[in-house]
Amino acid sequence: DAGVIQSPRHEVTEMGQEVTLRCKPISGHDYLFWYRQTMMRGLELLIYFNNNVPIDDSGMPEDRFSAKMPNASFSTLKIQPSEPRDSAVYFCASSYWGSYNEQFFGPGTRLTVL
Amino acid sequence: DQQVKQNSPSLSVQEGRISILNCDYTNSMFDYFLWYKKYPAEGPTFLISISSIKDKNEDGRFTVFLNKSAKHLSLHIVPSQPGDSAVYFCAASEGSSNTGKLIFGQGTTLQVKP
Repeated sequence: DAGVIQSPRHEVTEMGQEVTLRCKPISGHDYLFWYRQTMMRGLELLIYFNNNVPIDDSGMPEDRFSAKMPNASFSTLKIQPSEPRDSAVYFCASSYWGSYNEQFFGPGTRLTVL
Repeated sequence: DQQVKQNSPSLSVQEGRISILNCDYTNSMFDYFLWYKKYPAEGPTFLISISSIKDKNEDGRFTVFLNKSAKHLSLHIVPSQPGDSAVYFCAASEGSSNTGKLIFGQGTTLQVKP
């Protein structure tokens, strides 16, 4: 059974460019989460969806970040324009109602903005 | 402001000894706590959890202790093994929501020396 799939695994881009990160949650999971990991702040929740609807986007740092979930099997996190301070590892995770808060994480996308 | 704090960025212990990882939280509404383990280039994976109605939960070599009055929890690993070397994240949620919105700490890197 496939876990959470993220692509790309690594992304190197130049400041000002648009970046799109992709996530496929585990089939049957109805919650999807986007996190950012940095040394200073650890794992920060950016946004999460329930049944494809954004529930809480209070963690999205600014208007340059946007996330969508057009269907139950796909989500994107877009940064436009990207800045060097966006460099981090971005994780997608999914879970289902009744999983007692246990989330299943993808392998992450390491983003480097030059 | 960090609602969940792991004040020790790193910890080194000898194989066979006890590892104790600590976590403090500030939000008294948190009622469910989890520990996740992360290896390099992988996403975090669930390790063990505890509800606020308990003060201890044990799973094999791993035990989590919760001190609600001190808003403190700890993870004990006994005996520690080299394969336990990883980053450990403490996480908390509120409201028994079962949705899995988690607030993570910064992480503690554990090194177990052979």
